[in-house]
Amino acid sequence: ELKVEQNPLFLSMQEGKNYTIYCNYSTTSDRLYWYRQDPGKSLESLFVLLSNGAVKQEGRLMASLDTKARLSTLHITAAVHDLSATYFCAVAPWNAGNMLTFGGGTRLMVKP
Amino acid sequence: DARVTQTPRHKVTEMGQEVTMRCQPILGHNTVFWYRQTMMQGLELLAYFRNRAPLDDSGMPKDRFSAEMPDATLATLKIQPSEPRDSAVYFCASGLPTLKDRGAGELFFGEGSRLTVL
Repeated sequence: ELKVEQNPLFLSMQEGKNYTIYCNYSTTSDRLYWYRQDPGKSLESLFVLLSNGAVKQEGRLMASLDTKARLSTLHITAAVHDLSATYFCAVAPWNAGNMLTFGGGTRLMVKP
Repeated sequence: DARVTQTPRHKVTEMGQEVTMRCQPILGHNTVFWYRQTMMQGLELLAYFRNRAPLDDSGMPKDRFSAEMPDATLATLKIQPSEPRDSAVYFCASGLPTLKDRGAGELFFGEGSRLTVL
C-alpha cells in the first residue's frame, strides 16, 4: 500500500521567514504533485514534478523532487500572509496512471 | 473557462436517506475520480474511471456507495442509505492520465459537495 507522509502537519511562521515542507512516499514513482487548499475551497494545482531532479518555482514557492530518496520538498521563501493555506503533496505510482494518493496535508499559517 | 462542476454544493439529509452527487468533468478529460475529505482521514480515493469504465473502487464501501458514469459528461456518486459517518466533503476530479496521453497526469478538482447526515 502506497503511503505518502508530509511533515510538518502544522506550521505557524512569521512573515518574512523561510521554511520547508517535506513529502516522503513509499513506492516507485517519478511523478509528484503539489496542491493548495484554502479553507472551505477546492484543491488548486501548484506544481507538477515529472522526473528526478525536477525543480519548479512560482513566486515564493519552490518545489523539488528526488525520486531516489522518494522525497519532495516545498520551500517557502520570505513568507507572506497570502500563503496561509493547507498544502498537499500527491503521488502517482508508476503503474497507476494518474490515480493520486495524497499526503495528510500541511496547514500553514503565516502571521504578520 | 474549463472546470469540473459538482452539484449539489451543500446537502443536509437525515440518516437513511439516499444521496446522489453529480459531477461534470472537464471536456476531453478521460479519467474521473471521486475523493472524500474528512478531518480524520484526509483525502481518500473512492472511485476511479477511465474512458467511463470503473478501474478502481477499492476505497468505496460497497454496501452503501455506488459510482457510475452514464456518459462522458456525467459522473455520479450515490449513497444509500446514508449514515452520519458519511458526513464529509466529496470531491470530483478529472484529468488526462500521463504524458503518453498528452497529459501531465495532474487532476483538476471541482468545488466539492459538502454532505451532512444527521
